Amino acid sequence: GAVVSQHPSRVICKSGTSVKIECRSLDFQATTMFWYRQFPKQSLMLMATSNEGSKATYEQGVEKDKFLINHASLTLSTLTVTSAHPEDSSFYICSLVVADRGTNEQFFGPGTRLTVL
Amino acid sequence: DQQVKQNSPSLSVQEGRISILNCDYTNSMFDYFLWYKKYPAEGPTFLISISSIKDKNEDGRFTVFLNKSAKHLSLHIVPSQPGDSAVYFCAASTMHTDKLIFGTGTRLQVFP
Repeated sequence: GAVVSQHPSRVICKSGTSVKIECRSLDFQATTMFWYRQFPKQSLMLMATSNEGSKATYEQGVEKDKFLINHASLTLSTLTVTSAHPEDSSFYICSLVVADRGTNEQFFGPGTRLTVL
Repeated sequence: DQQVKQNSPSLSVQEGRISILNCDYTNSMFDYFLWYKKYPAEGPTFLISISSIKDKNEDGRFTVFLNKSAKHLSLHIVPSQPGDSAVYFCAASTMHTDKLIFGTGTRLQVFP
């Protein structure tokens, strides 16, 4: 399967600052990457679909101006949490679908734990 | 509206016995289903999947059953091992989209 990395794995920041999370595909090209958020003891909630070379598609209820997504290349997508607040503290996970596999299997990164003080 | 539900938040099974994890869905458009395993502070790991044209798919100790009329799927792990202890998520999608809708997860604990 595909190897997906995320950086940083853990970040603590002050309220009002912005935090950038990187998601990299190490061995496959991915035209589409996904960003999820998981609150404690809850399911993974899809935030947005990141498309290489075009604007991201956000799920209902997710503020696109707060969660900026940039899919700069076929192996890199970034999520920037702007003006972070304590309620943004969560576990953020990216995933990708390997092209031409004919399945919907997604390969997930290890996640980034964001804590906003 | 939770389209994919896992009604059992936790399950405890003795090593060597069968673990059965259940998942229900409401959207009849779903035609592809996946099971993921997740450890704390890690991303989910793909386990097994099934398309709606099948009612069973088996991979080693893992078997997924799909009952389309009941909109229900289950994951069977046999024999269960302590290393299987994790949170298991079922997910559903349609083949024309890559988006996955996840269930709420079931925490499986396999004890010796």
